[in-house]
Amino acid sequence: AQKVTQAQTEISVVEKEDVTLDCVYETRDTTYYLFWYKQPPSGELVFLIRRNSFDEQNEISGRYSWNFQKSTSSFNFTITASQVVDSAVYFCALSAPRSNDYKLSFGAGTTVTVRA
Amino acid sequence: EAQVTQNPRYLITVTGKKLTVTCSQNMNHEYMSWYRQDPGLGLRQIYYSMNVEATDKGDVPEGYKVSRKEKRNFPLILESPSPNQTSLYFCASSTHVGILGELFFGEGSRLTVL
Repeated sequence: AQKVTQAQTEISVVEKEDVTLDCVYETRDTTYYLFWYKQPPSGELVFLIRRNSFDEQNEISGRYSWNFQKSTSSFNFTITASQVVDSAVYFCALSAPRSNDYKLSFGAGTTVTVRA
Repeated sequence: EAQVTQNPRYLITVTGKKLTVTCSQNMNHEYMSWYRQDPGLGLRQIYYSMNVEATDKGDVPEGYKVSRKEKRNFPLILESPSPNQTSLYFCASSTHVGILGELFFGEGSRLTVL
């Protein structure tokens, strides 16, 4: 079975603060894919990143960065210098094709509120 | 414009009255999936389809049916809705060639079962 845990339910920060969202996953597969999605207050779901299990290189995209550590089964997401527009629910997700076909399991989500 | 279209966007119905939520994508994606979103539970997968006539259960398939007769359409059927199926539903599609690509989501369908 595969599982994604986002232990932080809600995070509130003041604009320009950094915020890190934790994601811990469980899978028996050696090949798997991790995702982050954003759901702003308007409700749509927006793809942010996909990372495969063989690529542990950290990634940076503007103010967003991701830290993938297989040793701790974590795929954490950091927003640097947060802005009000970053307020959203963020979901981490896992797909392990070999043992779970193409199921995509999501975590419960972390609600980020950025205050001006 | 590439999109996933769900209908209806909002629906209030009563227990036991069959309903169908339609989903259509115009990106020629092989993979389509249905999720329900409930507070504190995130998105849970109901059913998914790898291609025409190929469907599989997700984590919460009970009370739902799907079909995939055409590549672009993946309707979600609630044969006898119950109040515990009150939820926000999302349809999504993606390419998959050995791995699952980026999911494109519809705008969501908010269903209330009284």
